[in-house]
Amino acid sequence: EPEVTQTPSHQVTQMGQEVILRCVPISNHLYFYWYRQILGQKVEFLVSFYNNEISEKSEIFDDQFSVERPDGSNFTLKIRSTKLEDSAMYFCASSEGRPNYGYTFGSGTRLTVV
Amino acid sequence: AQTVTQSQPEMSVQEAETVTLSCTYDTSESDYYLFWYKQPPSRQMILVIRQEAYKQQNATENRFSVNFQKAAKSFSLKISDSQLGDAAMYFCAVGSYQLTFGKGTKLSVIP
Repeated sequence: EPEVTQTPSHQVTQMGQEVILRCVPISNHLYFYWYRQILGQKVEFLVSFYNNEISEKSEIFDDQFSVERPDGSNFTLKIRSTKLEDSAMYFCASSEGRPNYGYTFGSGTRLTVV
Repeated sequence: AQTVTQSQPEMSVQEAETVTLSCTYDTSESDYYLFWYKQPPSRQMILVIRQEAYKQQNATENRFSVNFQKAAKSFSLKISDSQLGDAAMYFCAVGSYQLTFGKGTKLSVIP
């Protein structure tokens, strides 16, 4: 079964450093998403991406965040200057379109900011 | 804006018994979808079951079924013949493109 692949699975970074989280969505999917889950809390929407541009973003997705699809397969989330409160599990997801079919999450990247 | 409420932070069930997890939601969208996701300790998000809001028939997936009451904006998950492997956090989610999640219900299965 097709999978959404995320790398790395765990990343530790120093406060103030830039991190890039990588995702390979399912190949025929058109919509890409990033979600965040702070430990012990609910999953929160960050941003959606379609046709090479951001389609929606939440209040969490401020200027320190950016997304990119640098080639035909990868979808990245960059955090420019990490803060302690950015420590969380970051999930990438992709869907064919409306999430009636194939809304699939990756296994997540655990980001720890120290 | 969408909201999702899971009123049961924790539930427990005896192995082989049936348990129902509650979820209520609010949305202004006319066309949306509802999901239950399972999150084991590995923290991976695993799709359990999906329901299209425009379908009146309740979705079923093996031992998992939902009771979808659109007018009441209620979407509960029933797990039949509970197994030890069902122990996990369960999240209810609603949306059309972006999903809004509830805070989750931690399900324990007692041998």
